[in-house]
This record gives sequence, structure tokens and C-alpha cells, in this order.
Amino acid sequence: EVVLTQSPATLSLSPGERATLSCRASQSVRSHLAWYQQKPAQAPRLLIYDALNRTTGVPARFRGSGSGTDFTLTISSLEPEDFAVYYCQQRSNWITFGQGTRLEIK
Amino acid sequence: EVHLVESGGVVAQPGGSLRLSCAASGFIFDDYAMHWVRQAPGKGLEWVCLISWDGGTSYCADSVKGRFTISRDNSKKSLYLQMNSLRVEDSGLYYCARDRAGSEWEYYFDSWGQGTLVTVSS
Repeated sequence: EVVLTQSPATLSLSPGERATLSCRASQSVRSHLAWYQQKPAQAPRLLIYDALNRTTGVPARFRGSGSGTDFTLTISSLEPEDFAVYYCQQRSNWITFGQGTRLEIK
Repeated sequence: EVHLVESGGVVAQPGGSLRLSCAASGFIFDDYAMHWVRQAPGKGLEWVCLISWDGGTSYCADSVKGRFTISRDNSKKSLYLQMNSLRVEDSGLYYCARDRAGSEWEYYFDSWGQGTLVTVSS
């Protein structure tokens, strides 16, 4: 099983700041990685697939990068609606999710 | 607009059975592979099962293999999850999710329902 480790567990930032979220895989997943956003009492929302492709309707401030074992989700300038939990997910070797990074308002 | 509505979640006893349903609208249901994904209370996400657009192929996670069965009825635009031999660790919010790739599944989930809560407890 591929283990995805997300860091940090919690990230405290202010609106307008840049957020950098990390996801590390226990073995290479090539570019087969997605990022989801989940707000309280809501279902997850697919933001990024295949490491760097934004889903329709996702603002350009969200950028995915990386390949192999190290991936990053960057939010260039935080908006109030961006504060949520973010999960990475791989599909290279079955399907596993990371444990999540909580992005909270500082 | 894609709309997925799950139902059937209840409190069940260990060893019991449940059947979850998901009603789909807003898209051509039989053009898409579908999934169940669950989330234990306050925890992360776990993929459960996949079914192909025509129901001919299905896969489930090892944690539920042999106990859960995924199925679909395209004439009713509905997805199902039959859950048998329930365990306490099966408790959680069960989401119905659409595969982003359509009929050629790729295990990215681009639309989700709001979930139905399953609680397994004695």
C-alpha cells in the first residue's frame, strides 16, 4: 500500500498569504496524484488531478506540482473561502488518501 | 448540474447488513464509472468500491472485500452498496462519487454526494 504523508498537519495563515502544502508518497506514484478540498459538513471537492491539472472552475491561484514521491499544492494568495482541510490522493497503486492538512485562519 | 443523493444509512449491529443507495441526476449516468468512498467521524477518506459504467466490472478495497458488494441500475440512475457482516470500523459517512474519466475509470472523484451516515454499534 502506498502511504501518503501530508505536512504540515495544520497550517495557520492570514488571507492574502501564500500557502504551501506538501504530500509525500512512500513509493513513486508517477504523476497520479490529486488534491481535494473539504470544508466543514461538506463533501470533498476535486481541485487538481494528475499532479498539476486544475478541474473546471478551480481558481488559478491553486497550483499543483511534483511527480514521483513529492508533491505540492500552492495557493498563491489565500481567500477567506480557502480555509479548509486538504487531502492528497494517489491512484498509481490502488487508491489511498493522505491524512489531510488543516488550513486555518491565523 | 450533477446531483448525487445517498440514502440508507442507519444504526446497525455488528454482524448485520445494510443497503445504501445513491440517486444520480444532471448527467448521463451510464456514461460514468462510479465509486463509494467513506469517511470515519473526524477522520480521513477511504475508497471503498468501484463499478464500471455497465456494471460488468467492480473492485473493492481489501478492508471490505467479500463483505460489501457494489451494484448499479442504469435504468433507475442509481448506485448501491450492499454491506454485510458489518464491523464497528465500518462506521462513517458513505459518499457516492463519480469518476472524472467517465466510462474509462481513473479513480479521481469529480462529483460527490453529501453522504449517508452508517453507525455500527451494539
